[in-house]
Amino acid sequence: GQNIDQPTEMTATEGAIVQINCTYQTSGFNGLFWYQQHAGEAPTFLSYNVLDGLEEKGRFSSFLSRSKGYSYLLLKELQMKDSASYLCAALDSNYQLIWGAGTKLIIKP
Amino acid sequence: SAVISQKPSRDICQRGTSLTIQCQVDSQVTMMFWYRQQPGQSLTLIATANQGSEATYESGFVIDKFPISRPNLTFSTLTVSNMSPEDSSIYLCSVAWTGDYNEQFFGPGTRLTVL
Repeated sequence: GQNIDQPTEMTATEGAIVQINCTYQTSGFNGLFWYQQHAGEAPTFLSYNVLDGLEEKGRFSSFLSRSKGYSYLLLKELQMKDSASYLCAALDSNYQLIWGAGTKLIIKP
Repeated sequence: SAVISQKPSRDICQRGTSLTIQCQVDSQVTMMFWYRQQPGQSLTLIATANQGSEATYESGFVIDKFPISRPNLTFSTLTVSNMSPEDSSIYLCSVAWTGDYNEQFFGPGTRLTVL
């Protein structure tokens, strides 16, 4: 079956760095997405990886290892506004998104 | 990119009634999807809305319960029929372009409460 695993909740301190991990098992693979979702709002796109390696975009970076079925989202210089849920989703061979349950990130001052 | 609007933004409905949610996109899109997100949960795909043909439903979702229309490339509706409290959820419309899967855009969602 198809499955996405990510931690349910993480806590970090303002100004620090946090890494949110995601492992996936899908029928075929066409890329890995990270979305941010603030409470009561729709998800917004953060990153897309289809090749192995690290993609950096400002304070956020995303890493992919296809051989390990593994990705992480790295958030640097954490701000209070980064408190949100972070959703990992993998695109399978039918170009259907398989969603993880999301990681709730709590930022403390 | 795409700007997506949904109507209504929220509603409170009585058991046994039906609600139609509209999704409007500011540009023509190839693919439109309807998701459900229950409190504290991730997104569950209900169906893919196909322009000019019947929607493609995921396991656990049927057309009689969630009829979908897609009359053109910028608009779709999802109806939640014969509602029960278990249908209370956020319903999200999203769009993507065939061959360009780098990003899927989401509408603001419709928060539905069934009493």
